[in-house]
Amino acid sequence: GIQVEQSPPDLILQEGANSTLRCNFSDSVNNLQWFHQNPWGQLINLFYIPSGTKQNGRLSATTVATERYSLLYISSSQTTDSGVYFCAVDADYKLSFGAGTTVTVRA
Amino acid sequence: DVKVTQSSRYLVKRTGEKVFLECVQDMDHENMFWYRQDPGLGLRLIYFSYDVKMKEKGDIPEGYSVSREKKERFSLILESASTNQTSMYLCASSLWGSVYGYTFGSGTRLTVV
Repeated sequence: GIQVEQSPPDLILQEGANSTLRCNFSDSVNNLQWFHQNPWGQLINLFYIPSGTKQNGRLSATTVATERYSLLYISSSQTTDSGVYFCAVDADYKLSFGAGTTVTVRA
Repeated sequence: DVKVTQSSRYLVKRTGEKVFLECVQDMDHENMFWYRQDPGLGLRLIYFSYDVKMKEKGDIPEGYSVSREKKERFSLILESASTNQTSMYLCASSLWGSVYGYTFGSGTRLTVV
């Protein structure tokens, strides 16, 4: 199956800082999504982004499908951004997840 | 908004017990999935279903089975629970061919003692 690698595994930020999370995947995909898992365990879809760039407030994402990677940008981080960020790819109608990046934003 | 509801938030079971985890979605989605989440491993797919009475093995089906008798309900069954099945279990659903992605339940944290 498709391999999904995320980096870094852990990220500690001071409130207000910017950061970039990376997702590499091993094969062509139909779909790539970024999720945020909050401290209560709920997974929230952030972006559906098989290619191109999207922005939603302080978050943006870019996927370069031909080079098999995606980046998630967090700008002006806030403590509410803390949690685990997952990249997931879909090549055959089921999602394969990376191991996640745990983000801790300190006030 | 689509809601995916998992019947229990926390569950403690004994080794050897038969365990049922229930998941219900309210938006007529064709696809339903069961994942388990473990630290450092992300989410791994156990089983999924494209339609009523249909099921497909995911990446880690051993020790699990599933049942989908109605479109809105997808059950995960641990036939004989073992301590290595202690984990967070997440159910998800999606519309066939949808570009809007998946919706997850809030998870069931299962502890097998």
